Parts: sequence; structure tokens; C-alpha cells
Amino acid sequence: GQQVMQIPQYQHVQEGEDFTTYCNSSTTLSNIQWYKQRPGGHPVFLIQLVKSGEVKKQKRLTFQFGEAKKNSSLHITATQTTDVGTYFCAGIQGAQKLVFGQGTRLTINP
Amino acid sequence: DVKVTQSSRYLVKRTGEKVFLECVQDMDHENMFWYRQDPGLGLRLIYFSYDVKMKEKGDIPEGYSVSREKKERFSLILESASTNQTSMYLCASSLFPGRLEKLFFGSGTQLSVL
Repeated sequence: GQQVMQIPQYQHVQEGEDFTTYCNSSTTLSNIQWYKQRPGGHPVFLIQLVKSGEVKKQKRLTFQFGEAKKNSSLHITATQTTDVGTYFCAGIQGAQKLVFGQGTRLTINP
Repeated sequence: DVKVTQSSRYLVKRTGEKVFLECVQDMDHENMFWYRQDPGLGLRLIYFSYDVKMKEKGDIPEGYSVSREKKERFSLILESASTNQTSMYLCASSLFPGRLEKLFFGSGTQLSVL
């Protein structure tokens, strides 16, 4: 079936280091969304990318959508302890179906 | 702010029981969804609904059914609970019919089936 693969599954960094998670789809996506889930919490929407090659920034977070609209990445510069959590990508495939990646769990050593 | 409320945070049931998970949203959203979340598997879509009395199967509907009698309420039903249905269940809603915007999630129900 339709799949969205996300890597790595886990990432542990020192505070201040950068972090990147990658998302790849087996099919072309119309849009891609990113969510953050804090430990013990629920997923919260971060951003949606729509255009091929699109790059958006939110403070220290940079989101990219690939030219072929089959991959995306989230990069965090100079991580802080508040960045701890699991980051999910979710691709919209076909008619209004959101398919989530497995998530990348980020832990940070202060 | 949109509020999506799930009736229970934790639930413990026995194998074979009929289980109801309730979800209510307060922002007149058209679309509602039920996901289950398992470690290493991300969020998997069970069922969704674009309108009252309307339902569509997601990726893993087996063993589940849903009900949407009112716009604000979307219920997930486990007809005969099994141990492999132990999971975190997340309800979500979004605004526009025919177009998928960002999802607003409830706090989740951690269901344990013994």
C-alpha cells in the first residue's frame, strides 16, 4: 500500500547540536505536513508544504519539500531541550488521505 | 482554539468486551478521524468521516466500526476487543470538506485489553 517512510527512528543529540529527520514516499504527494508530539502529549501541527522545492522556516526549524514531491525534511538548528519529542511527517496522497510516517523520536542531552 | 475531547485518557477492558471510544469537537469541523498509534508504526488511520452519518474505511479498519450521528461527535467501536487492539487511540478533526487541512488531535485514549 501507500507508504511514507521516515528516518531515523530515534536520534539523540547534545543540546546545541543540529538535528534532521527525513521523510520519503513511494508515490507523489500533493502536500506534506509536519507534526510534533511532546512526551505524553498529542501530535500538534507545525506546517504544511505544498509546492515542489518549497522551503519554509519557523525560527530554528527549516522544512523542505523535494522537487519531485516524494520527499521532505525537517532540520532543527542548535537544538534546545524544548525540542524534545517525536516529529511526524504526513503526506497527502490522492483524495484527502493523510498517511503518517513512523516518526523520529528526538532526545536531547542538556 | 479548537478543542477535541476524548472521553477517557486510560481504559482497561477484557478480551471480548464491546468498547466505545468517544470523541467530541467544538469547532463545527466537517472531517473527523480515528487513528491508532503504536511504537515504531506511527499513526495509522482506522476510519474517517466527512459528514454526519458518513464513514470511510482507513488503512486498518478490521475489528473496528464507527458512528457519526451528530457533526461534533465521532465514536469508535471495538465490537469484541482483542489483545492486539491494545494501543493509543487518537481522534482528530479538520475543517474543510473535500480538502485536507491541518488536523487537530485529542489527548488520546490509552486502551489496554487484557
